Amino acid sequence: GESVGLHLPTLSVQEGDNSIINCAYSNSASDYFIWYKQESGKGPQFIIDIRSNMDKRQGQRVTVLLNKTVKHLSLQIAATQPGDSAVYFCAENPVMNRDDKIIFGKGTRLHILP
Amino acid sequence: DVKVTQSSRYLVKRTGEKVFLECVQDMDHENMFWYRQDPGLGLRLIYFSYDVKMKEKGDIPEGYSVSREKKERFSLILESASTNQTSMYLCASSLLRRAYEQYFGPGTRLTVT
Repeated sequence: GESVGLHLPTLSVQEGDNSIINCAYSNSASDYFIWYKQESGKGPQFIIDIRSNMDKRQGQRVTVLLNKTVKHLSLQIAATQPGDSAVYFCAENPVMNRDDKIIFGKGTRLHILP
Repeated sequence: DVKVTQSSRYLVKRTGEKVFLECVQDMDHENMFWYRQDPGLGLRLIYFSYDVKMKEKGDIPEGYSVSREKKERFSLILESASTNQTSMYLCASSLLRRAYEQYFGPGTRLTVT
């Protein structure tokens, strides 16, 4: 079946260091892989997506890497700041009929140490 | 900026009551979604809609129904609320061909007593 999961539920990173959040997926037919950020008391916020025919995509201070061989997705945040404290969800967009669902992973909490 | 608003941030209802959760988006998005979020279970899709009067079941539709009479508004209905429906409910919207880029509202924390 489909599943999107994360290796670690909590990640603590020193302010200023780079953060790497990992995700494993099982559906090889997904067309897009996505990262969302959810701050306390707010709904999830779209960060970045990567299409299945790409290996890497960069945004502002974030980089997403996709390794289809081992079905692994990661989000790298450069120079982590206190505002990066949040729960990060990976998600995938399976290509199935005309279904527009995305499947979310359970989330990793990123904790920034001063 | 896309704005998705939900009618209430906090709601307390009694078992057996009929509950309406309203969601409005202002970006003319075709798709709208209702999720519930529970600790340890993540985000689970209840229903979604890709057009007015159209609806599709998500992963956990039991005990819920939806209504989409206007493009900008998507309502979630709990016909007879039960305690196991105590949860955070999140509404989202997206463009039809970018369903992976969803914009979420702030959520409604529903407690059923």
